[in-house]
Amino acid sequence: IAGITQAPTSQILAAGRRMTLRCTQDMRHNAMYWYRQDLGLGLRLIHYSNTAGTTGKGEVPDGYSVSRANTDDFPLTLASAVPSQTSVYFCASAPGTNNEQFFGPGTRLTVL
Amino acid sequence: SQKIEQNSEALNIQEGKTATLTCNYTNYSPAYLQWYRQDPGRGPVFLLLIRENEKEKRKERLKVTFDTTLKQSLFHITASQPADSATYLCALYPHGGFKTIFGAGTRLFVKA
Repeated sequence: IAGITQAPTSQILAAGRRMTLRCTQDMRHNAMYWYRQDLGLGLRLIHYSNTAGTTGKGEVPDGYSVSRANTDDFPLTLASAVPSQTSVYFCASAPGTNNEQFFGPGTRLTVL
Repeated sequence: SQKIEQNSEALNIQEGKTATLTCNYTNYSPAYLQWYRQDPGRGPVFLLLIRENEKEKRKERLKVTFDTTLKQSLFHITASQPADSATYLCALYPHGGFKTIFGAGTRLFVKA
């Protein structure tokens, strides 16, 4: 792997289903982030992790959960998907909390 | 309320001209500002960072200015090329904060 990867690339999901979006980085960055990007609203922070073992809530955390068991992986889980969670989701990492961020290619999620 | 604003209207310019994009913020005290480029279907890519005590930063054909009195950053692309066509996001990291705040972006079209 080189950089930061996300899976799946896209997904169509029935409302009420559980879904985990995967994010892995190989840069040994301490900080990792999950954003959603909606037209006209820009990137909004869902959850973040400043270092392995810690997580925090961002601007729009409701309906989402994260874990950071190790440095490389930062999965985002939708426990029971709703149509308003239809969006493009980006994972990002950074060496520290006040550095430039490196973004993954994104996951396009549609909840019907 | 706190806001970070970029022109939502697309900017259309002729190849060879200088493109200037604006980022204004309200009720934030940024430690620094960043500019990212985002191509359709891809994640943002970091371009430049400018700190609060810096007036100007350059990188090849790119120039960023930061005016803490006007609460504004300007992003310039000189000798623009069609390949510069993309959406450009500004982002600020506030003093005492723990996360980067992104603007919604401005779409730039450079015509040959």
